[in-house]
Amino acid sequence: DTAVSQTPKYLVTQMGNDKSIKCEQNLGHDTMYWYKQDSKKFLKIMFSYNNKELIINETVPNRFSPKSPDKAHLNLHINSLELGDSAVYFCASSQAASGRRGEQFFGPGTRLTVL
Amino acid sequence: SQQGEEDPQALSIQEGENATMNCSYKTSINNLQWYRQNSGRGLVHLILIRSNEREKHSGRLRVTLDTSKKSSSLLITASRAADTASYFCATEEGSGSRLTFGEGTQLTVNP
Repeated sequence: DTAVSQTPKYLVTQMGNDKSIKCEQNLGHDTMYWYKQDSKKFLKIMFSYNNKELIINETVPNRFSPKSPDKAHLNLHINSLELGDSAVYFCASSQAASGRRGEQFFGPGTRLTVL
Repeated sequence: SQQGEEDPQALSIQEGENATMNCSYKTSINNLQWYRQNSGRGLVHLILIRSNEREKHSGRLRVTLDTSKKSSSLLITASRAADTASYFCATEEGSGSRLTFGEGTQLTVNP
């Protein structure tokens, strides 16, 4: 009955590798997000998808590519990993259709360590 | 500097005391939200206050919003050790559902 789930929880990899993080929500929400939280706990939005369409794309290196196969899933693929990509990545979802605004529900996070 | 700056950065109190955290922002907003993050966990939504509201309560939480000063405060009354966490304010602005987070306040409640 998990609302927003992410896999894996921990990811340790070498510089230059390509990796993916998966996210699924079972809340029936129409909007999903990826956030990056750095070592100082600063949380910054990376991408947002509404009904499988990209609506927010912050200044993120194009090595990061989100993919939304359906409304319930938003995956994050990262190419050519760099040391600076080490962080905790959070997926979130919300119901933002028809001008409704509200809380976002966060997944447990994926701690990525690039060696 | 960042939208949603918070102070203090860290706050340590005794159980039973009240904790007050402040958040300032720069732009016009649709709403302001407060989230809690326990160590090693995701963020949990606590309360949302809309731009036309001035005060909101939820259990032991009280949030105020002053749009003229572009600031908000979160008060936790009768704190408990389980309230130990990082607290973030986040503002929603514009037509999208983008949230801009503050830097957070680390609250420690000592038993």
